[in-house]
Amino acid sequence: DAKTTQPNSMESNEEEPVHLPCNHSTISGTDYIHWYRQLPSQGPEYVIHGLTSNVNNRMASLAIAEDRKSSTLILHRATLRDAAVYYCILRHEYGNKLVFGAGTILRVKS
Amino acid sequence: DGGITQSPKYLFRKEGQNVTLSCEQNLNHDAMYWYRQDPGQGLRLIYYSQIVNDFQKGDIAEGYSVSREKKESFPLTVTSAQKNPTAFYLCASSVGTGKIYEQYFGPGTRLTVT
Repeated sequence: DAKTTQPNSMESNEEEPVHLPCNHSTISGTDYIHWYRQLPSQGPEYVIHGLTSNVNNRMASLAIAEDRKSSTLILHRATLRDAAVYYCILRHEYGNKLVFGAGTILRVKS
Repeated sequence: DGGITQSPKYLFRKEGQNVTLSCEQNLNHDAMYWYRQDPGQGLRLIYYSQIVNDFQKGDIAEGYSVSREKKESFPLTVTSAQKNPTAFYLCASSVGTGKIYEQYFGPGTRLTVT
């Protein structure tokens, strides 16, 4: 599986946008980019995923670089409830497993 | 409500004892997974099952065993052969393949072995 690189931690102010980066320079053409997040003492939850085009849903937006070697998860207005570990994961098109790295710890200040 | 149930939330055992963690899902998903998480680290895959009566080892299967006799259930046994069993254990199921793929996670079981 191709690897991803994320910052260990980031901090944001409440009500402000947050941009969480992810580098994946060895991504292949059939790898999907998935984002999950894990709140303290809970199981991870799905946030968003995409292949080539930018994606939006009710939780977040995913911006994918044109060369697909990096992507950014965008939380439009961070709340205290968004404080979590965010994982960026690559999955082959027909892959049936997710490989979790250490993720980025997002802290949100009030 | 559809979801994944893991019980108990906290489990304490003495060293040398086998312990079985429960995982049940009512999402009608074919695939199920077991992960282990140590403090400050990401999840590591122990075992997964794509279909009833079939399962595959993940990255850290040594000292663990599973069964998949029913679609809804995927219990994990932590045997006495597992050298460092104290950890947070997460069960998941998944839907889809290709463009549509998502894993759903249970609330986890925190196992402490002393």
